[in-house]
Amino acid sequence: GENVEQHPSTLSVQEGDSAVIKCTYSDSASNYFPWYKQELGKRPQLIIDIRSNVGEKKDQRIAVTLNKTAKHFSLHITETQPEDSAVYFCAAKGYNFNKFYFGSGTKLNVKP
Amino acid sequence: GAVVSQHPSWVICKSGTSVKIECRSLDFQATTMFWYRQFPKQSLMLMATSNEGSKATYEQGVEKDKFLINHASLTLSTLTVTSAHPEDSSFYICSAGTSGSTDTQYFGPGTRLTVL
Repeated sequence: GENVEQHPSTLSVQEGDSAVIKCTYSDSASNYFPWYKQELGKRPQLIIDIRSNVGEKKDQRIAVTLNKTAKHFSLHITETQPEDSAVYFCAAKGYNFNKFYFGSGTKLNVKP
Repeated sequence: GAVVSQHPSWVICKSGTSVKIECRSLDFQATTMFWYRQFPKQSLMLMATSNEGSKATYEQGVEKDKFLINHASLTLSTLTVTSAHPEDSSFYICSAGTSGSTDTQYFGPGTRLTVL
């Protein structure tokens, strides 16, 4: 099955700085890569996603890049704000079985 | 937007009892729902794929006789933890996608299970 690895596990940045979280996946057939933000005790919320036929996607301060050849994708948050503090998960969806496999999560702390 | 609910939001039970968790898609029909468990400060681990009108598909290592899944209608899937033990204590989350797109997953709020 699919194996998704995520780094770093924790990330601390100063307000206004950028944050980058990286993920790799193992199944070359995976074709959809969402990113979720989860606050403590709450459900994951989709913040951005990218499909395998696209290399980059941006939505205001958030961007995601995908390198299919290397099988890795990254989340970029610019001009971070304290409310960006949360746990972020990447995920990969398989082409054949429509299952989602999640990375281990990154706890982002934005210091004011 | 699409809304998924879960009930109960939290439950405490004694060891050896069974607990049923419901996952409902409130404003859309979900032919497929997913069940995850999440330990504190850890990721979501896919347990099984729940298919309406057919048997659930379990991930490797997940005991199907312990975690019974029933997807009786297009808006309801249930997860029953049978003969629960303290090691089953966890946060259980379901998700569902609309029939128009299996990519976008809408998550339920989760159920916190504590087995004493």
